[in-house]
Amino acid sequence: SQQGEEDPQALSIQEGENATMNCSYKTSINNLQWYRQNSGRGLVHLILIRSNEREKHSGRLRVTLDTSKKSSSLLITASRAADTASYFCATDGTGGTSYGKLTFGQGTILTVHP
Amino acid sequence: DSGVTQTPKHLITATGQRVTLRCSPRSGDLSVYWYQQSLDQGLQFLIQYYNGEERAKGNILERFSAQQFPDLHSELNLSSLELGDSALYFCASSVGGLQETQYFGPGTRLLVL
Repeated sequence: SQQGEEDPQALSIQEGENATMNCSYKTSINNLQWYRQNSGRGLVHLILIRSNEREKHSGRLRVTLDTSKKSSSLLITASRAADTASYFCATDGTGGTSYGKLTFGQGTILTVHP
Repeated sequence: DSGVTQTPKHLITATGQRVTLRCSPRSGDLSVYWYQQSLDQGLQFLIQYYNGEERAKGNILERFSAQQFPDLHSELNLSSLELGDSALYFCASSVGGLQETQYFGPGTRLLVL
């Protein structure tokens, strides 16, 4: 079963606009990662945020983490058509049996229109 | 390019058959993970190996098995295949295993007819 839920399931915007995707999860985590997947291809790692961090930036990406609400958001600023993809959050849970096991959300399909 | 390689890229086979998927991790990475992505189940963790030893197990079917060899490459064996096994199978690797970025390979697309 999926650990997280992502919201919205699909997002359609124009080039230049910002895109915000949200992820909620259920159990305590060590870290949360965001990945991008272009149509049926491999997952590309975007950013990792640890449980003791609240915000992280990488280029046009901004990720926030609120462990009290068990939620994270990914903001893509000044979006481009090339950002069109599915975006997944994945959590690395705490506890000895979790190790590096990533639990993925269902993903948000982002479409950026030129 | 993540540095993780997977072969083959595509595999078409029949029900009841057995296939082997291969993964080579990034240079220096000791952990290998296998994930399955299907339309109905999404991305699901199957199994993790660290330096040749099984470290964690997910909802992996008994018909599936994996191993990691001394050169750190890994193989995922799927047997008695069913139509529902059709999916994308990803391998990922990381340096160790805890609280680290996992780098994913391009995947093997399996179609069971």
